[in-house]
Amino acid sequence: QVQLQQWGAGLLKPSETLALTCGVFGESFSGYYWSWIRQPPGTGLEWIGEINHSGTTYYNPSLKSRVIISVDTSKKQFSLKLTSVTAADTAVYYCARVSGTPSQFSYMDVWGKGTTVTVSS
Amino acid sequence: QSALTQPPSASGSPGQSVTISCTGTSSDIGDFAYVSWYQQHPGKVPKVIIYEVNKRPSGVPDRFSGSKSGNTASLTVSGLQTEDEADYYCSSYAGNNNLKLFGTGTKVTVL
Repeated sequence: QVQLQQWGAGLLKPSETLALTCGVFGESFSGYYWSWIRQPPGTGLEWIGEINHSGTTYYNPSLKSRVIISVDTSKKQFSLKLTSVTAADTAVYYCARVSGTPSQFSYMDVWGKGTTVTVSS
Repeated sequence: QSALTQPPSASGSPGQSVTISCTGTSSDIGDFAYVSWYQQHPGKVPKVIIYEVNKRPSGVPDRFSGSKSGNTASLTVSGLQTEDEADYYCSSYAGNNNLKLFGTGTKVTVL
């Protein structure tokens, strides 16, 4: 049974870079996309972007200029970097597996436990 | 692209049914059969309960059902149980770089 374990710094100052990593355990790394999603306090979910084992990435246009998602297939890990953070980036950040049909990976069926990231001076 | 629109709240008594709407546009829900629904209990991780409009993952009770008409998707919870009290989010594939939009969320209360 696949499990996702995520880690990274939880407290940042404005203008710093958020860096999180998610490890995939108990499942093949290929054949899926792997995504990052965030949830600001008391509000809804926002898709940040996703990557596959080949390194093909897709980003939310609203964050694209500040986001880099990368993959290390040898370690079965994928990572998120978000630059120039502000208080508006304070949120719980989740990693998740994206599943679907061969023509479209469309839903997140396995989630990490989430990392609370707070941006404060 | 804006978030999909859901009613902030919905409620029903145990055993009743509740339906949650999720309104998008012709560029997302209206154009693709890739709508999913997520259940999130307070302080917990979201869990997918419906994918590809009306499919249920293994282990999800058949009390949960999904549908779509035009630019609007719907989630129906039949035979409400106390454990169904949670936040529910819809999501749709929106083309354009694999963009996935989430709904604004609906808090379901079991009276």
